[in-house]
Amino acid sequence: GAVVSQHPSWVICKSGTSVKIECRSLDFQATTMFWYRQFPKQSLMLMATSNEGSKATYEQGVEKDKFLINHASLTLSTLTVTSAHPEDSSFYICSARGGGLGEQYFGPGTRLTVT
Amino acid sequence: LAKTTQPISMDSYEGQEVNITCSHNNIATNDYITWYQQFPSQGPRFIIQGYKTKVTNEVASLFIPADRKSSTLSLPRVSLSDTAVYYCLVGDKSGGSYIPTFGRGTSLIVHP
Repeated sequence: GAVVSQHPSWVICKSGTSVKIECRSLDFQATTMFWYRQFPKQSLMLMATSNEGSKATYEQGVEKDKFLINHASLTLSTLTVTSAHPEDSSFYICSARGGGLGEQYFGPGTRLTVT
Repeated sequence: LAKTTQPISMDSYEGQEVNITCSHNNIATNDYITWYQQFPSQGPRFIIQGYKTKVTNEVASLFIPADRKSSTLSLPRVSLSDTAVYYCLVGDKSGGSYIPTFGRGTSLIVHP
C-alpha cells in the first residue's frame, strides 16, 4: 500500500519557539492532506485540510496563525507550530489522499513536547 | 457526515473471536464504511472497508446488514498484539470533499 512519512517522529522544544513537521507521500501524489492532533487517551481531532497549491481550511477553534500549513507540492505538506506553548504538546498525525478512489493513508505521527 | 457510535471498550482473551459493532444510522447512499486500528503513539492503520454485505481480508471480516445502519468488525482468534483502539469511519471516499472524521473508537484489550 501507499506510504506516508512524517518527520521528525518526535521533537522537544522550548516554549516560544516554532516547530515544523513534515508530511510526505512517498509513492503517490497526494492531492489533499489532512492534519490531526491527538491528546492522550483521546480520539484524533481534525485540525485542517490542505489541497496542493491552495490555502488550508481550518476546523473551528484551530488558530490558523498559530498552526501554519503549507502544501507546496503533491508529495509534501508541512505544519508549523508557531510560538509553541506547553498546551500544544500533543501527537500530530497527517494523512494523505490520492488517486481516483480517494483512499486515505496515515503517517506514523509526530510527538511534540513543549517545555 | 454520518455520526458513528461504538462501545468505548471491550475485553477479550487470546484465541477468541472479537466482534465490534458500529452504529451509523444516518449513513448516506454513497458512504463507505472503513475501520482503522491504532496502537499507542502510532498513526491509524487501515484494516478493512466495505459498502454492503460482507467483506473479508487476511486480517478481518466486515459484516454490513442490508439497511447499512450498522456494521460489525470481526477479528478471528485475537492475540495480545491485537490490543489497540479500533475506529469506525463512514463517508463518501469517492467524493473530493470526504474528510475522515474519527469518533471515540473502541479500546480492545486482549488478555492472556
